[in-house]
Amino acid sequence: QKEVEQDPGPLSVPEGAIVSLNCTYSNSAFQYFMWYRQYSRKGPELLMYTYSSGNKEDGRFTAQVDKSSKYISLFIRDSQPSDSATYLCAMSAYHSGYSTLTFGKGTMLLVSP
Amino acid sequence: EPEVTQTPSHQVTQMGQEVILRCVPISNHLYFYWYRQILGQKVEFLVSFYNNEISEKSEIFDDQFSVERPDGSNFTLKIRSTKLEDSAMYFCATGTGSGEQYFGPGTRLTVT
Repeated sequence: QKEVEQDPGPLSVPEGAIVSLNCTYSNSAFQYFMWYRQYSRKGPELLMYTYSSGNKEDGRFTAQVDKSSKYISLFIRDSQPSDSATYLCAMSAYHSGYSTLTFGKGTMLLVSP
Repeated sequence: EPEVTQTPSHQVTQMGQEVILRCVPISNHLYFYWYRQILGQKVEFLVSFYNNEISEKSEIFDDQFSVERPDGSNFTLKIRSTKLEDSAMYFCATGTGSGEQYFGPGTRLTVT
């Protein structure tokens, strides 16, 4: 079983839609969860960083963590064509500089005008 | 807004040659990392570096790889004798120690 699983997509939605992106994981040691956005041939850009189960909101983005189900989600409200990118979930066991990130493979999102 | 920078953006090299990839971290960051992403695959951890020594390394980071901070500002990844399978995007990431990691734009390494 892979440590972090993520549906590669592509996920195609019309502008203005609510987008739901998800990851599941198998390693109970993961405590810290991140979402990155990656445009084609660019570096990952940190969007959200969360710890513990529950929701965290930042503008149009909401990150949700359910540790009991080992399931994390990123919701994007009022999606825009500029949101078209690959979204990577990443997770680590430690809240420190020594933490190494384990990534999902990424979900490609396409938002059409 | 401060950002991680990497040079070169694209490096083409022949198999067996040595390459050095360079990164300039965000100025107050003390933790440094290298990751790589083979085309179509996930981002994979290579090595972490703190206080002038390697903190952790993955199985990928074998004796052909080395890292150093030669002048207090740059952070480099050296591959001594490149193989075809080293072709990938190499990302430098840096952090303050809070767990968040900020990535550079990457260096695309092509080994022919």
